[in-house]
Amino acid sequence: EIVLTQSPGTLSLSPGERATLSCRASQSVSSSYLAWYQQKAGQAPRLLIYGASRRATGVPDRFSGSGSGTDFTLTISRLGPEDFAVYYCQQYGSSPYTFGQGTKLDIK
Amino acid sequence: EVQLVQSGAEVKKPGESLKISCKGSGYNFAVYWIVWVRQMPGKGLEWLGIIYPSDSSTRYSPSFQGQVTISADKSITTAYLHWSSLKASDTAMYYCARSYTSDSPLDSWGQGTLVTVSS
Repeated sequence: EIVLTQSPGTLSLSPGERATLSCRASQSVSSSYLAWYQQKAGQAPRLLIYGASRRATGVPDRFSGSGSGTDFTLTISRLGPEDFAVYYCQQYGSSPYTFGQGTKLDIK
Repeated sequence: EVQLVQSGAEVKKPGESLKISCKGSGYNFAVYWIVWVRQMPGKGLEWLGIIYPSDSSTRYSPSFQGQVTISADKSITTAYLHWSSLKASDTAMYYCARSYTSDSPLDSWGQGTLVTVSS
């Protein structure tokens, strides 16, 4: 089973700042089958990024993903007030399709 | 519009059985995989397992194999998650989500079903 480790656990930033979230895999993620999800309090998760770097439909271009192999990054270029949430990475290349433990992005 | 609508919250006692549902609409339900995801209170997301409604092919996470049963009825575009004997540790929010293939991202999610198991 591939273990995904996200860092930091909590990131405190101000609106307008840049956020960089990391996801590290215990073994290589095949074909960059890595996704990022956003979950706001009391809501279901929402797909943001898939294939490590492709934005899902309707996702603003301030969200970008990068990486390959075992190291992946989600970047939010300028934080809007609606971006403060929990972010999860998930690998879907090797069953079971595991999630990271999440990074909470909160307002400084 | 693609929708996954889950059944309502449940309160059960340890040892009881339970089946929760996830009804898909707005797309060809049979040819998209349905995944079940657990979120324990205040915790992260856990992948339980996956089913292909067209032929009911199923795969489970080793952590959940034997603990739950995933099924689907394509004639009524509904997937299910079943417990034969609940434990207090099954208390969680359960989400269904769809993926185009078994190795695709989860592009649409249900609203979640809260299961509370308490004596």
